[in-house]
Amino acid sequence: AQTVTQSQPEMSVQEAETVTLSCTYDTSESDYYLFWYKQPPSRQMILVIRQEAYKQQNATENRFSVNFQKAAKSFSLKISDSQLGDAAMYFCASSKIQGAQKLVFGQGTRLTINP
Amino acid sequence: DTGVSQDPRHKITKRGQNVTFRCDPISEHNRLYWYRQTLGQGPEFLTYFQNEAQLEKSRLLSDRFSAERPKGSFSTLEIQRTEQGDSAMYLCASSLARGAIVNTEAFFGQGTRLTVV
Repeated sequence: AQTVTQSQPEMSVQEAETVTLSCTYDTSESDYYLFWYKQPPSRQMILVIRQEAYKQQNATENRFSVNFQKAAKSFSLKISDSQLGDAAMYFCASSKIQGAQKLVFGQGTRLTINP
Repeated sequence: DTGVSQDPRHKITKRGQNVTFRCDPISEHNRLYWYRQTLGQGPEFLTYFQNEAQLEKSRLLSDRFSAERPKGSFSTLEIQRTEQGDSAMYLCASSLARGAIVNTEAFFGQGTRLTVV
């Protein structure tokens, strides 16, 4: 079974600053995917970044990057140069590589951007 | 194709009534997922289709819930004899997996907000 834990219910950051959202997970799979999804107030979930567990290199997507620590089962998201449009709920998720690839989500972190 | 669409966006129903939600996935996507999201929580997996076959169901999916995906296109989720505990956002997602092509990105719809009164 897979579990995902986000221990920060809320975070806030000043516009243009950097913020890091934490996530830990547990899985018995040897290969798996990890994701960060963003859910703005309109409620549609959007993929922010994806990491394959077999890759050692941390994924990056423009201002978004992850710190993947496989041994520690930690997967944090760093948002650089925060923008007002980054305000949303952020969910960490994992899935198996084979089979259904259903997503297991954490509880979410609400990110507020202060102008 | 503008993405995954769900209908209705909001539904208010009286306890004991039946409700049905519809999801239209991205047209070429053969995998379709239903999730339930209660307030302040992350989505929880309910069920999954590959084409028209329902391949997995969560224990969360009681016998009052049924999902179909006829012809492997749109999907419906029906809840019979609704209870107040069924109040939640019901999210649909789709992805593509065909042969060697496995797209790990699941695209979500905007969800159907169900309120049982």
